[in-house]
Amino acid sequence: SQQGEEDPQALSIQEGENATMNCSYKTSINNLQWYRQNSGRGLVHLILIRSNEREKHSGRLRVTLDTSKKSSSLLITASRAADTASYFCAGPNFGNEKLTFGTGTRLTIIP
Amino acid sequence: DAGVTQSPTHLIKTRGQQVTLRCSPKSGHDTVSWYQQALGQGPQFIFQYYEEEERQRGNFPDRFSGHQFPNYSSELNVNALLLGDSALYLCASSRDWNTEAFFGQGTRLTVV
Repeated sequence: SQQGEEDPQALSIQEGENATMNCSYKTSINNLQWYRQNSGRGLVHLILIRSNEREKHSGRLRVTLDTSKKSSSLLITASRAADTASYFCAGPNFGNEKLTFGTGTRLTIIP
Repeated sequence: DAGVTQSPTHLIKTRGQQVTLRCSPKSGHDTVSWYQQALGQGPQFIFQYYEEEERQRGNFPDRFSGHQFPNYSSELNVNALLLGDSALYLCASSRDWNTEAFFGQGTRLTVV
């Protein structure tokens, strides 16, 4: 069963614009993590937000977490061509350490 | 720090054969997890190793087995390969379950 469900499935924007991706999850989490994956390669960890945090920033990334709605969002500001990738959210449950991923959001930045 | 390293990067096997994939975790990490990622899908959890024991397992048949060594490196073994086992196999390591997991570049397995 999926824990993270990303939305939209695909997103195309012009370079320089902001990109927002959403993630919904089913059960209580201890933390939620966002990853980036370039085509056919390994996942790169972007940011981890804990269940007692509401917002976190890292460079051009901004992540929010709403535990009451079981949702999170990832905002990438001032997008670049190098941001073209698939983005996944995943989180371990309390007592269940595995990361469960959705199918991801495919982000395309148009130069 | 070399991060998480996996070998080999690509592999082609015939149906019915057996395969072993290897993973060296990031320095300081003692927990290793394996994931299978089919084309266009998200990674699916196979199992997790900690202190040389399988701590948790996903919904994969017994043909998938693993091992963790005293130096925390790990192997994933798949027996009796099926065409459907063709996928990207990812290894991830972490210090514990409540911290970031770091992934290797994966092993692309093709079963023909």
